[in-house]
Amino acid sequence: QKEVEQDPGPLSVPEGAIVSLNCTYSNSAFQYFMWYRQYSRKGPELLMYTYSSGNKEDGRFTAQVDKSSKYISLFIRDSQPSDSATYLCAMILLRGSYIPTFGRGTSLIVHP
Amino acid sequence: ETGVTQTPRHLVMGMTNKKSLKCEQHLGHNAMYWYKQSAKKPLELMFVYNFKEQTENNSVPSRFSPECPNSSHLFLHLHTLQPEDSALYLCASSQVGGNTEAFFGQGTRLTVV
Repeated sequence: QKEVEQDPGPLSVPEGAIVSLNCTYSNSAFQYFMWYRQYSRKGPELLMYTYSSGNKEDGRFTAQVDKSSKYISLFIRDSQPSDSATYLCAMILLRGSYIPTFGRGTSLIVHP
Repeated sequence: ETGVTQTPRHLVMGMTNKKSLKCEQHLGHNAMYWYKQSAKKPLELMFVYNFKEQTENNSVPSRFSPECPNSSHLFLHLHTLQPEDSALYLCASSQVGGNTEAFFGQGTRLTVV
């Protein structure tokens, strides 16, 4: 079993839809969780990060962490064509290792 | 701009060539990373430097040789590569002990012919 599982998609939605992107992980010691967005032919850019279980909101984006289920989500409200990209989740143990472990990324397509 | 700059952005090289990729971070971070990203594959961690010391080498072939002369600069020296080494090579940096999220450069798109 991989440490971080993420469905590669593609996930295709109409403009304005609510998008839910998810990752599951196997190591309960992960403490720090991040979401990156990567446009085609660009490097990943950090969208959001969180330490704790619960929700964190930033504009149209909400990151959710459920440590008991080892499950993290990124919700995008009112999705736009400009949100079309690959979204990667990442997580860090902190204790013992600071190196992020990445999911394989989910390709999102928002069509007008 | 993310504060991590990679050059060149694109590189085409023959299998017998020697070339180097350069990464510079302007964020004051103390850790730097090389990742390989191939089509339809997850990010592959190649090397990690913490305070200029190499702390990780993920079974990377010796035709890839990293160099970290200081905490702001990271190089990846390439020689006798194979076509399957064609990929996007990403540099990242982070601050160990502080906010630990990694910031990436735009990558070097490498094609080996």
